[in-house]
Amino acid sequence: QQKVQQSPESLIVPEGGMASLNCTSSDRNVDYFWWYRQHSGKSPKMLMSIFSNGEKEEGRFTVHLNKASLHTSLHIRDSQPSDSALYLCAGASSGSWQLIFGSGTQLTVMP
Amino acid sequence: NSKVIQTPRYLVKGQGQKAKMRCIPEKGHPVVFWYQQNKNNEFKFLINFQNQEVLQQIDMTEKRFSAECPSNSPCSLEIQSSEAGDSALYLCASSPRTGQLYFGEGSKLTVL
Repeated sequence: QQKVQQSPESLIVPEGGMASLNCTSSDRNVDYFWWYRQHSGKSPKMLMSIFSNGEKEEGRFTVHLNKASLHTSLHIRDSQPSDSALYLCAGASSGSWQLIFGSGTQLTVMP
Repeated sequence: NSKVIQTPRYLVKGQGQKAKMRCIPEKGHPVVFWYQQNKNNEFKFLINFQNQEVLQQIDMTEKRFSAECPSNSPCSLEIQSSEAGDSALYLCASSPRTGQLYFGEGSKLTVL
């Protein structure tokens, strides 16, 4: 079983809508999280990171973290067709270089 | 544009053949990673290096896979005897700090 699990596997939202993506760690030690985005045929690029309980906002993107449940979520408001991509959640333990990736959520934003 | 350079972009090998991929990490990044991304988008960590020394590696890497990151030379990942299940995108990334990975464009391996 993967240590970092993402849901849903795929998500379709209309342009201008809100996309909500989830990620949970099954390893108590994995409590630092990053979100990466991978457009089709391209390499992943880091979007946001979150290490403390609470939320963090950057433009249209907001991430939440609940350390007690080891759950993080990424919310994209006013979704655009250019947001269509594979969104990967990655986790690591404090001080560890090994980043564990989930299998991703494939987001499609319909014009 | 990614400053991590991976070559070749594509390689096609027969079963049992060697497959070698190279990666030039971004300057100043102390840690280099290799990941395997299969057709289901599953990311598998293979190995990472810090200043030419192996930090962590998985069991698979210890058997048919070998990797090195010598100073003043590209890092490399080699599969000694390719199998069909090795067909995947091999991604190299370098990192200035934990969690912040800068990926190359990848080497797509097809094993016939």
